Amino acid sequence: ETGVTQSPTHLIKTRGQQVTLRCSSQSGHNTVSWYQQALGQGPQFIFQYYREEENGRGNFPPRFSGLQFPNYSSELNVNALELDDSALYLCASSGGTGANLYGYTFGSGTRLTVV
Amino acid sequence: QKEVEQDPGPLSVPEGAIVSLNCTYSNSAFQYFMWYRQYSRKGPELLMYTYSSGNKEDGRFTAQVDKSSKYISLFIRDSQPSDSATYLCAMISADNDYKLSFGAGTTVTVRA
Repeated sequence: ETGVTQSPTHLIKTRGQQVTLRCSSQSGHNTVSWYQQALGQGPQFIFQYYREEENGRGNFPPRFSGLQFPNYSSELNVNALELDDSALYLCASSGGTGANLYGYTFGSGTRLTVV
Repeated sequence: QKEVEQDPGPLSVPEGAIVSLNCTYSNSAFQYFMWYRQYSRKGPELLMYTYSSGNKEDGRFTAQVDKSSKYISLFIRDSQPSDSATYLCAMISADNDYKLSFGAGTTVTVRA
């Protein structure tokens, strides 16, 4: 059973709306990353937080933002939703500052559908 | 051109067969190589993790890395129906060690 939990599991939103996705990291993991996985594609890196600060970002516009809290929880916020934002959003936590040493543990994801 | 190329398949094999999966990459800075397994409606699960060129074995799974050819492989011996899943290769570069770069994933079905 994974130590990373995400909520909600499924979500339907209308184009133009805002959405907040939540993640509870594995205990002791102070690094959290968010990935977007479109249907039939591999996950794409959105950004990473370490000790509540963003320390890496992929090719996603500023309307994708995040927060990390001291209790190992985090949020992904997406403003002005577009149809192409429909995807599985994955949260991954790590015990190190990078994925190379410790590896990531992924949650089961939130399936977002924008209509 | 994508940084990581992976044939999406699908791949269908009979139970007990060897499954062969591979990825190619273009970024010479990639140093760490991983294989993840993703079941339907689940997040990716780490299977294998390698750093250097060569082979690494873990039970029925063998990962190979050839940095000179920018080519990595995963072999699954004695495949079981429970191995039916999507297999994703992923890589990390030395200059962006926080970011996993994934292939598109190969969907594998093992027929009983």
